[in-house]
Amino acid sequence: QVQLQQSGPGLVKPSQTLSLTCAISGDSVSSNSAAWNWIRQSPSRGLEWLGRTYYRSKWYKGYAISVKSRITINPDTSKNQFSLQLNSMTPEDTAVYYCARAHGGWIDYWGQGTLVTVSS
Amino acid sequence: QSVLTQPPSASGTPGQRVTISCSGSSSNIGSDYVHWYQQLPGTAPKLLIYRNDQRPSGVPDRLSGSKSGTSASLAISGLRSEDEADYYCAAWDDSLSGWVFGGGTKLTVL
Repeated sequence: QVQLQQSGPGLVKPSQTLSLTCAISGDSVSSNSAAWNWIRQSPSRGLEWLGRTYYRSKWYKGYAISVKSRITINPDTSKNQFSLQLNSMTPEDTAVYYCARAHGGWIDYWGQGTLVTVSS
Repeated sequence: QSVLTQPPSASGTPGQRVTISCSGSSSNIGSDYVHWYQQLPGTAPKLLIYRNDQRPSGVPDRLSGSKSGTSASLAISGLRSEDEADYYCAAWDDSLSGWVFGGGTKLTVL
Protein backbone atom coordinates (compact mmCIF):
# COMPACT_ATOMS: atom_id res chain seq x y z
CA GLN A 1 0.00 0.00 0.00
CA VAL A 2 1.45 3.34 -1.05
CA GLN A 3 1.33 6.17 1.47
CA LEU A 4 2.27 9.79 0.92
CA GLN A 5 2.96 11.93 3.99
CA GLN A 6 3.19 15.67 3.48
CA SER A 7 5.02 18.14 5.70
CA GLY A 8 5.60 21.86 5.62
CA PRO A 9 4.29 25.16 6.94
CA GLY A 10 0.68 26.20 6.74
CA LEU A 11 1.38 29.93 6.69
CA VAL A 12 3.60 31.80 4.24
CA LYS A 13 4.14 35.54 3.98
CA PRO A 14 3.59 37.32 0.65
CA SER A 15 6.69 37.30 -1.60
CA GLN A 16 8.21 34.40 0.34
CA THR A 17 8.85 30.83 -0.85
CA LEU A 18 6.61 27.87 -0.06
CA SER A 19 8.47 24.62 0.68
CA LEU A 20 6.59 21.33 1.05
CA THR A 21 7.86 17.77 1.25
CA CYS A 22 6.12 14.49 0.42
CA ALA A 23 7.57 11.34 1.99
CA ILE A 24 6.84 8.11 0.12
CA SER A 25 6.28 4.67 1.62
CA GLY A 26 5.36 1.57 -0.32
CA ASP A 27 7.06 2.78 -3.52
CA SER A 28 10.24 4.47 -4.65
CA VAL A 29 10.69 8.01 -5.92
CA SER A 30 13.07 6.42 -8.46
CA SER A 31 10.43 4.02 -9.74
CA ASN A 32 10.49 3.58 -13.52
CA SER A 33 6.71 3.38 -13.67
CA ALA A 34 5.53 6.22 -11.41
CA ALA A 35 5.41 10.00 -11.61
CA TRP A 36 5.31 12.23 -8.56
CA ASN A 37 2.98 15.20 -8.73
CA TRP A 38 1.98 18.33 -6.87
CA ILE A 39 -1.63 19.50 -7.19
CA ARG A 40 -3.44 22.30 -5.39
CA GLN A 41 -7.11 23.03 -4.74
CA SER A 42 -8.82 26.32 -4.02
CA PRO A 43 -12.42 27.53 -4.31
CA SER A 44 -11.47 29.96 -7.07
CA ARG A 45 -9.22 27.70 -9.18
CA GLY A 46 -10.53 24.21 -8.36
CA LEU A 47 -8.06 21.35 -8.73
CA GLU A 48 -4.92 22.62 -10.45
CA TRP A 49 -1.97 20.44 -11.44
CA LEU A 50 1.31 22.20 -10.69
CA GLY A 51 3.98 19.82 -11.89
CA ARG A 52 5.70 16.46 -11.64
CA THR A 53 9.00 14.64 -11.56
CA TYR A 54 9.74 11.11 -12.66
CA TYR A 55 12.66 8.78 -13.40
CA ARG A 56 13.08 6.94 -16.68
CA SER A 57 16.81 6.18 -16.76
CA LYS A 58 17.23 9.88 -16.00
CA TRP A 59 15.18 12.48 -14.15
CA TYR A 60 12.46 14.44 -15.89
CA LYS A 61 10.40 17.36 -14.66
CA GLY A 62 7.31 19.09 -16.04
CA TYR A 63 5.52 22.17 -14.83
CA ALA A 64 2.20 23.90 -15.44
CA ILE A 65 2.47 27.03 -17.54
CA SER A 66 0.71 29.05 -14.84
CA VAL A 67 3.54 28.54 -12.33
CA LYS A 68 6.48 27.56 -14.55
CA SER A 69 8.54 30.64 -13.70
CA ARG A 70 8.17 30.14 -9.94
CA ILE A 71 8.17 26.38 -9.28
CA THR A 72 10.76 23.70 -8.61
CA ILE A 73 10.02 20.05 -7.89
CA ASN A 74 12.96 17.93 -6.74
CA PRO A 75 13.34 14.26 -5.91
CA ASP A 76 15.37 13.19 -2.88
CA THR A 77 16.45 9.59 -3.35
CA SER A 78 18.28 9.39 -0.02
CA LYS A 79 15.04 10.02 1.88
CA ASN A 80 12.61 8.59 -0.71
CA GLN A 81 10.67 11.82 -0.97
CA PHE A 82 10.07 14.74 -3.28
CA SER A 83 9.59 18.42 -2.65
CA LEU A 84 7.80 21.49 -3.94
CA GLN A 85 9.19 25.00 -3.90
CA LEU A 86 6.96 27.83 -5.08
CA ASN A 87 8.51 31.29 -5.10
CA SER A 88 7.02 34.76 -4.86
CA MET A 89 3.87 33.62 -3.10
CA THR A 90 0.78 35.85 -3.24
CA PRO A 91 -2.63 35.55 -1.58
CA GLU A 92 -3.89 33.96 -4.83
CA ASP A 93 -1.65 30.97 -4.02
CA THR A 94 -3.67 30.23 -0.89
CA ALA A 95 -4.92 26.66 -1.36
CA VAL A 96 -4.78 23.10 -0.13
CA TYR A 97 -1.66 21.52 -1.64
CA TYR A 98 -1.53 17.78 -2.38
CA CYS A 99 1.24 15.48 -3.46
CA ALA A 100 0.11 12.53 -5.56
CA ARG A 101 1.41 9.50 -7.41
CA ALA A 102 0.56 8.75 -11.02
CA HIS A 103 1.05 5.13 -12.03
CA GLY A 104 -0.14 3.19 -15.05
CA GLY A 105 -1.47 6.42 -16.57
CA TRP A 106 -3.65 7.71 -13.78
CA ILE A 107 -3.30 9.41 -10.39
CA ASP A 108 -3.99 6.77 -7.80
CA TYR A 109 -2.62 7.90 -4.44
CA TRP A 110 -2.81 11.32 -2.79
CA GLY A 111 -1.20 12.85 0.27
CA GLN A 112 -3.35 14.12 3.10
CA GLY A 113 -3.20 17.73 1.90
CA THR A 114 -1.68 20.84 3.46
CA LEU A 115 -3.68 24.05 3.78
CA VAL A 116 -1.31 26.86 2.87
CA THR A 117 -2.39 30.41 3.65
CA VAL A 118 -0.50 33.37 2.22
CA SER A 119 -0.83 36.27 4.61
CA SER A 120 1.33 38.78 6.42
CA GLN B 1 -12.17 28.12 -15.18
CA SER B 2 -11.48 24.38 -15.31
CA VAL B 3 -10.35 22.76 -18.57
CA LEU B 4 -12.92 19.95 -18.21
CA THR B 5 -16.57 20.94 -17.80
CA GLN B 6 -18.85 19.34 -15.23
CA PRO B 7 -22.26 20.38 -13.94
CA PRO B 8 -21.81 22.09 -10.56
CA SER B 9 -24.49 20.00 -8.88
CA ALA B 10 -26.53 16.83 -9.15
CA SER B 11 -29.04 15.19 -6.88
CA GLY B 12 -31.13 12.09 -6.42
CA THR B 13 -33.09 10.13 -3.88
CA PRO B 14 -31.89 6.89 -2.28
CA GLY B 15 -32.02 4.01 -4.73
CA GLN B 16 -32.05 6.23 -7.82
CA ARG B 17 -29.49 6.32 -10.61
CA VAL B 18 -27.55 9.52 -11.14
CA THR B 19 -25.22 10.46 -13.98
CA ILE B 20 -22.48 13.11 -13.91
CA SER B 21 -21.07 14.36 -17.18
CA CYS B 22 -17.59 15.62 -18.07
CA SER B 23 -16.82 17.44 -21.30
CA GLY B 24 -13.39 18.11 -22.72
CA SER B 25 -11.59 18.44 -26.04
CA SER B 26 -9.50 16.54 -28.53
CA SER B 27 -6.30 17.25 -26.59
CA ASN B 28 -7.51 15.58 -23.38
CA ILE B 29 -10.59 13.34 -23.24
CA GLY B 30 -10.57 12.93 -27.01
CA SER B 31 -7.07 11.45 -27.01
CA ASP B 32 -6.62 9.90 -23.59
CA TYR B 33 -8.39 8.11 -20.76
CA VAL B 34 -10.74 9.74 -18.24
CA HIS B 35 -10.51 9.08 -14.52
CA TRP B 36 -12.97 9.90 -11.75
CA TYR B 37 -12.45 10.86 -8.11
CA GLN B 38 -14.68 11.23 -5.08
CA GLN B 39 -13.86 13.83 -2.46
CA LEU B 40 -15.46 13.90 0.97
CA PRO B 41 -15.24 17.12 3.01
CA GLY B 42 -11.79 17.74 4.43
CA THR B 43 -10.19 14.77 2.69
CA ALA B 44 -8.08 14.15 -0.39
CA PRO B 45 -9.69 12.92 -3.61
CA LYS B 46 -10.11 9.15 -3.85
CA LEU B 47 -9.83 7.24 -7.12
CA LEU B 48 -13.19 5.78 -8.22
CA ILE B 49 -12.77 4.98 -11.91
CA TYR B 50 -9.62 4.78 -14.04
CA ARG B 51 -9.14 4.30 -17.79
CA ASN B 52 -12.72 5.39 -18.52
CA ASP B 53 -14.52 2.42 -16.98
CA GLN B 54 -12.22 0.45 -14.67
CA ARG B 55 -12.91 0.19 -10.95
CA PRO B 56 -10.10 -0.12 -8.40
CA SER B 57 -10.40 -2.86 -5.86
CA GLY B 58 -12.99 -1.95 -3.22
CA VAL B 59 -15.11 0.35 -5.41
CA PRO B 60 -18.63 -1.13 -5.72
CA ASP B 61 -19.98 -2.13 -9.13
CA ARG B 62 -22.92 0.24 -8.77
CA LEU B 63 -20.42 2.88 -9.91
CA SER B 64 -19.57 2.87 -13.59
CA GLY B 65 -17.83 5.07 -16.11
CA SER B 66 -18.04 5.56 -19.85
CA LYS B 67 -16.49 7.71 -22.54
CA SER B 68 -17.52 8.77 -26.02
CA GLY B 69 -15.51 11.16 -28.14
CA THR B 70 -14.61 14.18 -26.04
CA SER B 71 -17.11 13.48 -23.26
CA ALA B 72 -17.36 11.06 -20.39
CA SER B 73 -19.81 10.22 -17.66
CA LEU B 74 -19.94 8.66 -14.23
CA ALA B 75 -23.05 6.77 -13.24
CA ILE B 76 -24.03 5.86 -9.70
CA SER B 77 -26.93 3.45 -9.31
CA GLY B 78 -28.68 2.44 -6.09
CA LEU B 79 -27.86 5.84 -4.64
CA ARG B 80 -26.94 5.85 -0.94
CA SER B 81 -26.52 8.64 1.57
CA GLU B 82 -22.78 7.91 1.76
CA ASP B 83 -22.48 8.82 -1.93
CA GLU B 84 -23.03 12.47 -1.02
CA ALA B 85 -19.70 14.05 -1.98
CA ASP B 86 -17.90 16.06 -4.65
CA TYR B 87 -16.96 14.20 -7.84
CA TYR B 88 -14.17 15.19 -10.23
CA CYS B 89 -13.12 13.99 -13.66
CA ALA B 90 -9.50 14.15 -14.79
CA ALA B 91 -7.49 13.50 -17.93
CA TRP B 92 -4.00 14.05 -19.30
CA ASP B 93 -3.86 16.95 -21.73
CA ASP B 94 -1.40 16.49 -24.59
CA SER B 95 -1.36 20.19 -25.51
CA LEU B 96 -0.69 21.37 -21.96
CA SER B 97 1.51 18.36 -21.10
CA GLY B 98 -0.20 18.12 -17.74
CA TRP B 99 -3.19 16.83 -15.85
CA VAL B 100 -6.47 18.70 -16.19
CA PHE B 101 -9.52 18.42 -13.99
CA GLY B 102 -13.21 19.20 -14.06
CA GLY B 103 -14.62 21.85 -11.76
CA GLY B 104 -16.36 19.22 -9.67
CA THR B 105 -19.97 18.14 -9.19
CA LYS B 106 -21.55 18.25 -5.76
CA LEU B 107 -23.86 15.27 -5.41
CA THR B 108 -26.70 15.63 -2.94
CA VAL B 109 -28.74 12.65 -1.79
CA LEU B 110 -32.19 14.00 -0.98
